[in-house]
Amino acid sequence: AQTVTQSQPEMSVQEAETVTLSCTYDTSESDYYLFWYKQPPSRQMILVIRQEAYKQQNATENRFSVNFQKAAKSFSLKISDSQLGDAAMYFCAYSPRFQGAQKLVFGQGTRLTINP
Amino acid sequence: KAGVTQTPRYLIKTRGQQVTLSCSPISGHRSVSWYQQTPGQGLQFLFEYFSETQRNKGNFPGRFSGRQFSNSRSEMNVSTLELGDSALYLCASSPNTLSTEAFFGQGTRLTVV
Repeated sequence: AQTVTQSQPEMSVQEAETVTLSCTYDTSESDYYLFWYKQPPSRQMILVIRQEAYKQQNATENRFSVNFQKAAKSFSLKISDSQLGDAAMYFCAYSPRFQGAQKLVFGQGTRLTINP
Repeated sequence: KAGVTQTPRYLIKTRGQQVTLSCSPISGHRSVSWYQQTPGQGLQFLFEYFSETQRNKGNFPGRFSGRQFSNSRSEMNVSTLELGDSALYLCASSPNTLSTEAFFGQGTRLTVV
């Protein structure tokens, strides 16, 4: 069975600084997707960034980037120039390629606090 | 374009009752997935529907069921409610089964007393 582990229940960072959230996963599949979702107090999950396992290049979206280490099954999220609006729960998620994003396996989440 | 709409937003039910939650996907989306979110178990996949057919089901008892209508709207039903069913139920929609982005609604908060 596929599993996703986020070992940091909580993280905090000063506004404008950089923070890295960790995620490891376990799968026997060779082709899959990895995601980071953000859940603010409004409860609506929002896609932050997506990585396709067959792509060696790390995905980036503005201030958000990932460090994807396929052999180590590691997928960390780096947030640069942290803003107050980045405060939320962050979930790492996995899905085998043939499932698209329709059957996500989530980690337990990391609560990120931004200190002004 | 309107987002994923889940109704009701909040619900309080008594043990033993049944409940039906509704999800209206983004217009044109035909795939709908449901998740249960609890503090203890985190986010867990319930089921996925596409074109009125259940494609995948998570590891939940038979008390949890769902369906999808021809307009892609989906409902999930929980019968004989237990205290442990108290959770945030999230619905996500995608254009099709291979889409690489799922768009989530704001969820229905179910409290069982």
